[in-house]
Amino acid sequence: AQSVTQPDIHITVSEGASLELRCNYSYGATPYLFWYVQSPGQGLQLLLKYFSGDTLVQGIKGFEAEFKRSQSSFNLRKPSVHWSDAAEYFCAVVGNTDKLIFGTGTRLQVFP
Amino acid sequence: DVKVTQSSRYLVKRTGEKVFLECVQDMDHENMFWYRQDPGLGLRLIYFSYDVKMKEKGDIPEGYSVSREKKERFSLILESASTNQTAMYLCASSLKGAPSYEQYFGPGTRLTVT
Repeated sequence: AQSVTQPDIHITVSEGASLELRCNYSYGATPYLFWYVQSPGQGLQLLLKYFSGDTLVQGIKGFEAEFKRSQSSFNLRKPSVHWSDAAEYFCAVVGNTDKLIFGTGTRLQVFP
Repeated sequence: DVKVTQSSRYLVKRTGEKVFLECVQDMDHENMFWYRQDPGLGLRLIYFSYDVKMKEKGDIPEGYSVSREKKERFSLILESASTNQTAMYLCASSLKGAPSYEQYFGPGTRLTVT
């Protein structure tokens, strides 16, 4: 069965520091991959997606993610974190039933 | 902008009550979804619908039902609420053709059952 693993439950960074959130997936074929962000008390907003082509994907709010097939990973990065980036981040993959499968999320805390 | 609205942001109900959670989208999307979100568990799919009058079970349908009488509206029903249904409920919609690939989410309803 397809699955998504986000190994970091909680990450804390200082404002201005770089960020990398990890995501590993389990899926046999070429996956469709997503990163969503959920600000406190809000629904989810799409940050970026990968379907095919260039393995480095640019998203909104200065985020990017890199698809690495050999590592089954789709890690999210940002070179300089802002306090407003504090939120919960979800990685997701489209499984073979055409449904989104979500990871358990990584909560990002940003210190000034 | 795609807009998905949910009828309540916060809801408190008593055990045994019938609960209706309403979701409306204004982008003429064919697909609509209901998820349950619990801390540490991520989002789990309860039910989804690809068309009016159509519904299919997701991963955790037990204790829930849904209704889709109009394209823009998808309702989640808890026939007899229980305390273990206390959670955040998120509605989403997407276009047909990319079955569930890019979903747009509502703000969520935080339901507390006492």
